[in-house]
Parts: sequence; C-alpha cells; structure tokens
Amino acid sequence: EAQVTQNPRYLITVTGKKLTVTCSQNMNHEYMSWYRQDPGLGLRQIYYSMNVEVTDKGDVPEGYKVSRKEKRNFPLILESPSPNQTSLYFCASSPLNEQYFGPGTRLTVT
Amino acid sequence: QKEVEQNSGPLSVPEGAIASLNCTYSDRVSQSFFWYRQYSGKSPELIMSIYSNGDKEDGRFTAQLNKASQYVSLLIRDSQPSDSATYLCAVPRRGSTLGRLYFGRGTQLTVWP
Repeated sequence: EAQVTQNPRYLITVTGKKLTVTCSQNMNHEYMSWYRQDPGLGLRQIYYSMNVEVTDKGDVPEGYKVSRKEKRNFPLILESPSPNQTSLYFCASSPLNEQYFGPGTRLTVT
Repeated sequence: QKEVEQNSGPLSVPEGAIASLNCTYSDRVSQSFFWYRQYSGKSPELIMSIYSNGDKEDGRFTAQLNKASQYVSLLIRDSQPSDSATYLCAVPRRGSTLGRLYFGRGTQLTVWP
C-alpha cells in the first residue's frame, strides 16, 4: 500500500528534551515536506526537501532541523523543544506538486 | 494579499444540497490547483486537482477554475453528512521548485441531516 508513515503519532515531552519524529514514504517520491498545523493559522511549512541531501527552509523553520540521507526518510528533529512547538505535525511527500500526507503527530511540550 | 484565500466559514448546508466552496489566489501564473479534505484530527486528503480553465468532475465533486478571475471553486452535489470536514485549497508556491504548496486556511463545512 502506497503511504506516508509517521512515528510517533502522539508524544508528550518536556521542555529541552531532544526528540525526533520519523517520516517514511514508499512511493519513491522526490519531494518531501514537514508542516505544522495550529488553530487559526492553517498549515505552515517547516522544511522541504527536493532530493537526498537537499533541503530548504519553509515558513517556520526556527527550532527545527531535518535531514534527508535516504530518499524514503525525512526525519524532523527538535533539538530543544519549547511549549510554543506544541502542535499537530504532518509529513508529506510529492511526485510533482500534489502532496500526500502522513497521519500526523500530535506533540505536546510541557 | 495572501497567496491563497478562502472563506473561513463555517458553511452549513442540509443533506442533499449543493455545497459551494471558493478560493482565490494571487499568483497569475499558477498552473495547478488542489482541493484537500481534512476531517477533524486527521490528515489532509487530496480529493481534486485541476489544471485547465473550466470544470472538472469526479463523482459528486466538481472543481471549477477561472484563471482570468483567479479563483477556483469546489462544488459538492448531493451533500452527505460524511462530507462534513474542512476543505483546503492549495496552489504551488510562486517561483519555487516542484512539491511546494501554499495552503489556504480552509473552509469548515457541516452537512446536517
């Protein structure tokens, strides 16, 4: 089954404790993105990758890191999470412009 | 002006009615447009894409594109309670590489029985 997977789906953590949210796609898509979604603010792109080892900042990259060492994987790293990073996070992959989303990760930082 | 604007709603229609969702965009050279459906707490799901002026139909869904007026709409015929969701309009980012979209903030649709 063609899909984008994310783990974990739910995470509660404390300020400053490094965490990684994994994202994997099995569709051989070139492009991958991370978004956060907050009430009233919609979907905002955090980071984007157009190929292995090629990434670019999105609209809200502060406090986040990414890497793309393999085509299928695009992890999101929060080195020192803060409460303002509490949000719903989505990974997406694209063959061209249309995007296909993972199930989401609900992160709470206390 | 925002890249993509949608009526925030909420939009409420009775079962069986036509629901009309609208989106305007600012980049005149945009060539592709997408509609996503998002149920509460779930991820956005691509339901329609349109690339040419005019109408594109897929089952009960019709996307309409008017590039001269820079708007794209989604019509849902014979609306069902299961259509209750937030609908997001998306267009490619101006001057960007492939795979980057701007999303509108969405229109919340409620279909009541």
